[in-house]
Amino acid sequence: GQQLNQSPQSMFIQEGEDVSMNCTSSSIFNTWLWYKQDPGEGPVLLIALYKAGELTSNGRLTAQFGITRKDSFLNISASIPSDVGIYFCAGQPRSNDYKLSFGAGTTVTVRA
Amino acid sequence: DAEITQSPRHKITETGRQVTLACHQTWNHNNMFWYRQDLGHGLRLIHYSYGVHDTNKGEVSDGYSVSRSNTEDLPLTLESAASSQTSVYFCASSDRAGEYFGPGTRLTVT
Repeated sequence: GQQLNQSPQSMFIQEGEDVSMNCTSSSIFNTWLWYKQDPGEGPVLLIALYKAGELTSNGRLTAQFGITRKDSFLNISASIPSDVGIYFCAGQPRSNDYKLSFGAGTTVTVRA
Repeated sequence: DAEITQSPRHKITETGRQVTLACHQTWNHNNMFWYRQDLGHGLRLIHYSYGVHDTNKGEVSDGYSVSRSNTEDLPLTLESAASSQTSVYFCASSDRAGEYFGPGTRLTVT
């Protein structure tokens, strides 16, 4: 599939901090998705974005579909310990092609 | 509640054996997918299906096969297991809102 560049690769959070991660591609996407994976479990869908420029929230999470359709970002506000995990971005290139391309993931860890 | 399940959750097998991993979803989704997840490679697509009797190869399909005889199930078969197929396998199904993943099967080939 198409390569999605997700950054940062890892980050440390302190409780209460706002954190941000993003995903870019050389190709345009029809849909952007953000997932979270906890250890020993499957990825869980957090937010789905369907239109360029769309800004969507899910509790303390906010994600945006970039206006160029080649990028997306995810913000977590006022982070808490249970926010640790691996966050993946994913993109769907065309509306009639349901395969997703995934980023390599951002590992979020609590700062000691 | 609708869900997607995988079985077994853990499996140890020997090189050369045929292994089948089960995936069952109750969302009535047409689209189903199999991925493997390895350190350093993220999620890689093995096979996918957009409906009954439809199957397609993903980017890492060699050594794997799937069949889709009904909407709910997409079993993944390793024809002759190899040590390189030691991995965590995830099944997913989708509608417009994105893919929903099962809990995964950890497969070890010795």
